[in-house]
Amino acid sequence: DARVTQTPRHKVTEMGQEVTMRCQPILGHNTVFWYRQTMMQGLELLAYFRNRAPLDDSGMPKDRFSAEMPDATLATLKIQPSEPRDSAVYFCASGLPLGLAGDNEQFFGPGTRLTVL
Amino acid sequence: TQLLEQSPQFLSIQEGENLTVYCNSSSVFSSLQWYRQEPGEGPVLLVTVVTGGEVKKLKRLTFQFGDARKDSSLHITAAQPGDTGLYLCAGANQGAQKLVFGQGTRLTINP
Repeated sequence: DARVTQTPRHKVTEMGQEVTMRCQPILGHNTVFWYRQTMMQGLELLAYFRNRAPLDDSGMPKDRFSAEMPDATLATLKIQPSEPRDSAVYFCASGLPLGLAGDNEQFFGPGTRLTVL
Repeated sequence: TQLLEQSPQFLSIQEGENLTVYCNSSSVFSSLQWYRQEPGEGPVLLVTVVTGGEVKKLKRLTFQFGDARKDSSLHITAAQPGDTGLYLCAGANQGAQKLVFGQGTRLTINP
């Protein structure tokens, strides 16, 4: 049963600390998305990658957030320094290569619940 | 900027009742998806509608794409507690894999 995995599932940290969230996309998926979900803003797209290259990171605060794909099996989202307003659930999703049937379906991981005190 | 508005934002009804959730936009989308999200989990795709006027059924759930491909609705017949969750609509454009998500409808079905 292929699934997107995310670690950690929960993270509590203090303001100013660095936070790294990891995602393993489904094998064979070459598109990876990072979202942030809050009650107030809903699901917001932060960044997405295709074939490990960033296509759009316009939704991401550049001064403190960074997203990378060191290899095809790992995507990371880093916040440095973290602030209380970053508290949210962060989701990673992956998708099939463009052109294949169902290529705009996104498969979401279980999320990382981040609390910044 | 393309936006999707969902209504209602919150809905709490009794088991056995029917309900409809709406997803509206001023923009045209090439397809529209509906996802359901349960507490502590990520959204899971329920259905994709592609053609204007298309109707798809998934057991007690009926999804419709507007003729102009700007809006969609989700109708649940005889709702059950297992239908409880956050329902999200998402619009897609041809050739682009980025989705535009609505704010969601939080549905609670009381036994």
